[in-house]
Amino acid sequence: GQSLEQPSEVTAVEGAIVQINCTYQTSGFYGLSWYQQHDGGAPTFLSYNGLDGLEETGRFSSFLSRSDSYGYLLLQELQMKDSASYFCAVEDSSYKLIFGSGTRLLVRP
Amino acid sequence: EAGVAQSPRYKIIEKRQSVAFWCNPISGHATLYWYQQILGQGPKLLIQFQNNGVVDDSQLPKDRFSAERLKGVDSTLKIQPAKLEDSAVYLCASSLGKPGTGLWETQYFGPGTRLLVL
Repeated sequence: GQSLEQPSEVTAVEGAIVQINCTYQTSGFYGLSWYQQHDGGAPTFLSYNGLDGLEETGRFSSFLSRSDSYGYLLLQELQMKDSASYFCAVEDSSYKLIFGSGTRLLVRP
Repeated sequence: EAGVAQSPRYKIIEKRQSVAFWCNPISGHATLYWYQQILGQGPKLLIQFQNNGVVDDSQLPKDRFSAERLKGVDSTLKIQPAKLEDSAVYLCASSLGKPGTGLWETQYFGPGTRLLVL
């Protein structure tokens, strides 16, 4: 079977740092990606990890450990506009994206 | 660069009726995807096209759902007849299209069509 686990909800304060974890069990694995989706909006690509380690893109970083089937998204200097749902997605052996159920991030002033 | 366009944005129908959704991908993108996103869940792939050929439709409920991509550009997704459990957002996405190369391709999503089946 295929499963991705991520917390359903996270709350943090403006300016803080938050980490959203993702563990996965899939048939084949090529990489882990992260998407952001505001309410009523389209998912937008944030980052991709094909190899172990940390990828940094501005305030967002993503990490992957293939041996642990684990990754995380790190958001720094949180802003109110970061309030959204964040999805991890595994690229499986047939290059399909399998999405997790999403983590709803609420940033408070 | 124009993004992925979808229409309609919202649709309300009664069960057993038919409905169709339209998608225009980013110009030059060979790969087109249709996803179903039920409230509180992540998107689930229904069908993937490479140009006008189907690459994967393993999760498409073929007894009621159909999709086509004539001429390898626009695509339509149809549901006939609709059931209550089809209430969801239907997302279209596109990517440049180099399947099977192992190279990562960002998928660009449209705004979706929100379907409510009563």
